[in-house]
Amino acid sequence: GIQVEQSPPDLILQEGANSTLRCNFSDSVNNLQWFHQNPWGQLINLFYIPSGTKQNGRLSATTVATERYSLLYISSSQTTDSGVYFCAVMDSSYKLIFGSGTRLLVRP
Amino acid sequence: EAQVTQNPRYLITVTGKKLTVTCSQNMNHEYMSWYRQDPGLGLRQIYYSMNVEVTDKGDVPEGYKVSRKEKRNFPLILESPSPNQTSLYFCASSFLGAEAFFGQGTRLTVV
Repeated sequence: GIQVEQSPPDLILQEGANSTLRCNFSDSVNNLQWFHQNPWGQLINLFYIPSGTKQNGRLSATTVATERYSLLYISSSQTTDSGVYFCAVMDSSYKLIFGSGTRLLVRP
Repeated sequence: EAQVTQNPRYLITVTGKKLTVTCSQNMNHEYMSWYRQDPGLGLRQIYYSMNVEVTDKGDVPEGYKVSRKEKRNFPLILESPSPNQTSLYFCASSFLGAEAFFGQGTRLTVV
């Protein structure tokens, strides 16, 4: 099956810093999503980005499907950005396969 | 507002006492699924449904049942819960192959 790897596993930032999270996947996919799991456990949709680049405020994402990776950029980080960021790809049976996540802590 | 609604959000129950976690979506999505999230194991699919009356096993179906009698509802049934089913559960829905949306999660503890 498709393997999804995320890096780094853990990240500590000072408020205001920028960061890049990476997601590598082992096979071609038709669907890639980024999620933020907040401290209450909720999974929040950040981006649906099978290819190309999207931006939403301080967050942006780029997927290069031909090279099988996606990047999530967080600029001017805030304490509310803390949590776990997941990348997930959809296999041929429409199942989402999640990476193990990047745990982000933003310190004030 | 487009959403996936799970209930309850938190549940503590005893071994063997049947329970149902409800899931409802208002986006007319064909595809619905259940995942469980466990430390060190990540998110794993339990069951999925591609449309009304069409359900199939995911990666970890043992101990669970589902039904899809209406397009909007996809309940998860634990007929005889055991402590190893203590987990955080998520329901998700989407159009086939499109962006998936998740419910708020149900934190289940079986003692």
